[in-house]
Formats: sequence, structure tokens, C-alpha cells
Amino acid sequence: KAGVTQTPRYLIKTRGQQVTLSCSPISGHRSVSWYQQTPGQGLQFLFEYFSETQRNKGNFPGRFSGRQFSNSRSEMNVSTLELGDSALYLCASSEPGQQAFFGQGTRLTVV
Amino acid sequence: AQSVTQLGSHVSVSEGALVLLRCNYSSSVPPYLFWYVQYPNQGLQLLLKYTSAATLVKGINGFEAEFKKSETSFHLTKPSAHMSDAAEYFCAVSDWDTGNQFYFGTGTSLTVIP
Repeated sequence: KAGVTQTPRYLIKTRGQQVTLSCSPISGHRSVSWYQQTPGQGLQFLFEYFSETQRNKGNFPGRFSGRQFSNSRSEMNVSTLELGDSALYLCASSEPGQQAFFGQGTRLTVV
Repeated sequence: AQSVTQLGSHVSVSEGALVLLRCNYSSSVPPYLFWYVQYPNQGLQLLLKYTSAATLVKGINGFEAEFKKSETSFHLTKPSAHMSDAAEYFCAVSDWDTGNQFYFGTGTSLTVIP
């Protein structure tokens, strides 16, 4: 099976812009979760989608949003980027009762 | 609420020495516990998981962890460190009853000294 694929791997954006990150889960996995990883805050949960529905949401502002398509692929959008949004964004896919498989992440740099 | 605490943000061991990375959890329900490893600029790779079967869990690369309910601990060990073990290690807890949300510890950076 192919693993979790995140695109792009690296991204540089300017403050105020918006960005969309993509995650293709492992085939057959219905749950996709997103995490933000920064040196200061560690790994923080953003949200989880299961069968196209957002099931859980972390404590992030409304600028962070996501969606999941019928093929389980997921996108995460960040609007009005701030310098503090610079981070590694990780996507994980899984099925209920199984471990999460992580992608390699998208490194977002906001300048 | 669920959470994990990893004691020691940095651990250094000599090559061939015992590796011990500490993790304590807090959970209101029987937890699912995990250890993940992260190499630079990579995602997280599962080392092992506890899902209420055997309390001693064996993982990949010679790692193992023991679930101790009385101590609410899930420490990761490896008898003999190898240079390739140098990485960031994360303990995580999940409650699948409420969704596939993982709560991660702050991570422990392992350095292996030759």
C-alpha cells in the first residue's frame, strides 16, 4: 500500500496570504487528522475528518479550516497567514481502532 | 481529558547502553498508548502501541514498552543503543471512542554518543 502523501513538501508564503495543503491518506482509511508541529508548542491537534465530516477540532483560530472529499483526500486551508503559522504540518490517516500513519509533512514558512 | 507527560526533553546515552525514555499518561478511560519516532524533516513512524492486550509491548528496532496502570506509565526501553536510534521520540495517547485524536507529549530528543 502507498503511504500517506502530503503535498507540497515545502512552501514559502507571505504574511496575509492564504495557503492550501493536501493530504492523500492510505487507501481505505476514512479518518484523516491534521497536526501542527513547532519547536515551542510541539505537536498540536488541528482537526480530524471521518467520512467527509469534521469529528474533532483542536484549539486553533477560525483561520484554520479543512475539508475531506469523498475519496478521503483532505485539504487544510490557512487564511491570512501570520509569522507564527510557520510550522511543519503533519497529516495522519487511520481506521478506527488502528494506529495513525503519518505523512512526511509540509514545511510552511511565512515571511 | 487525556494527556501525556514525557520526562526529560533531552536524553543522552552511550552507544550500547540502555535507553529509557519516560512517559506518564492521564486518561479517564482505558487508554490506547503509542510511541512514535521522528527523524529530521520526516513524519512520525510508529514504534509500538498498547491496546489493552499484553502489558509488555514489543516494537520495531528492538524497542519495547511496559504498560503499568498503577503508575500510569508507559516507558520506552531498548537494551542497547545504536547510533541510528538518535531521533525525537513522542509518546501519545488516544481514545478511539471519541474519534481518532492523538494527544502527544512534548517529545524527547535522544542523542547517542559513540
